[in-house]
Amino acid sequence: AIQLTQSPSSLSASVGDRVTITCRASQGISSALAWYQQKPGKAPKLLIYDASSLESGVPSRFSGSGSGTDFTLTISSLQPEDFATYYCQQFNSYPRTFGPGTKVDIK
Amino acid sequence: QVQLVESGGGVVQPGGSLRLSCAASGFTFSSYGMHWVRQAPGKGLEWVAFIRYDGSNKYYADSVKGRFTISRDNSKNTLYLQMNSLRAEDTAVYYCARLSWGHGAFDIWGQGTMVTVSS
Repeated sequence: AIQLTQSPSSLSASVGDRVTITCRASQGISSALAWYQQKPGKAPKLLIYDASSLESGVPSRFSGSGSGTDFTLTISSLQPEDFATYYCQQFNSYPRTFGPGTKVDIK
Repeated sequence: QVQLVESGGGVVQPGGSLRLSCAASGFTFSSYGMHWVRQAPGKGLEWVAFIRYDGSNKYYADSVKGRFTISRDNSKNTLYLQMNSLRAEDTAVYYCARLSWGHGAFDIWGQGTMVTVSS
């Protein structure tokens, strides 16, 4: 199975900060990577698919990049509603796998 | 609107069985592959199973293989997860999620249903 690691596991940031989260795959997955946002008690929400494509309705301050084994999710200017946990997920092969998550909280 | 609604969760003893349902509405259910994903309390997301739009292909996580069965009834717009031989480590919120038609991500999620395995 393809393993995904995320860094950092948590971070504290202020409104307006630029935030970057990285995801690394244990083997190459081309661009078959998605990013999800999850708030407490809620279902995950798709933000980015195919490593860099913005899901419809998601604010443009979210962006994704990377291919192969190294990927990045960037929030250009953190907003109050962005405090949440973020997960990467690969859909290159089965079993599908998720990263362990990165919790973004308020500094 | 496009919606997935899970049901069937509850408390069950170790070794017991439970069947989860996921009712779809607002889209052509029979055209989409579907997944189950779970999340243990305070933990991350774990993919559980997938079924192709027509039920012809199914995949499972090693942790549930041989114990869980994914199925669907396209005439009822409903996805199922039959869970047998339940263990304490199966305790989690179970989400159904739609496989996006255009790519491999999960674009629509249900609100989840809680399964607790405890004596």
